[in-house]
Amino acid sequence: EVQLVESGGGVVRPGGSLRLSCAASGFTFADYGMSWVRQAPGKGLEWVSGINWDGGSTHYADSVKGRFTISRDNAKNSLYLQMNSVRAEDTALYHCAKSSSGHYNWFDPWGQGTLVTVSS
Amino acid sequence: EIVLTQSPGTLSLSPGERATLSCRASQSVGSSFLAWYQQKPGQAPRLLIYGASSRATGIPDRFSGSGSGTDFTLTISRLEPEDFAVYYCQQYGSSPRTFGGGTKVEIK
Repeated sequence: EVQLVESGGGVVRPGGSLRLSCAASGFTFADYGMSWVRQAPGKGLEWVSGINWDGGSTHYADSVKGRFTISRDNAKNSLYLQMNSVRAEDTALYHCAKSSSGHYNWFDPWGQGTLVTVSS
Repeated sequence: EIVLTQSPGTLSLSPGERATLSCRASQSVGSSFLAWYQQKPGQAPRLLIYGASSRATGIPDRFSGSGSGTDFTLTISRLEPEDFAVYYCQQYGSSPRTFGGGTKVEIK
């Protein structure tokens, strides 16, 4: 069974940093693209960033470009999101999600998410 | 960036009725590079449809997707009690990937 478990969320001050992790199991992690998708409280879904199977290709939403960095460690079956210079509008539940191929297309399945709250 | 507009925002229907949800893209999403998800309160989204019309594994056949280019539709042929939820479309034809704002299907 495919499992994705996020961790690393918490309360962070505006301008601060946080690193999210996603532990993957139940599939050959190194074969698949991965993404981070967030959902602000009571709001819709927003794709944040994606990375291809070997980490050689990454993309970001304009809202986080230059502040967030996605990476992966295929030896550890783990996905990461380094969040710098965070803002109040980054407050959300952050999900990691698996793609169906080496790049990021549709998302299936999703982890339950880790909550990031940006507040002073 | 491709903007996806979903309509209506809320659909009030009774169990057994047919639901028709629309997703319109600001430009072509390419060769049907569109997916649909269902989200229930407190749960992660679940993939329903990919490639505009292919059902994901385990999804009942009352769910169907259609469309291409800029206009897409998700149809639920007969609503079951467990189908009342929020539905999102998502395009993967270009980066950044984008989602629609969602359609809430509520019990009338």
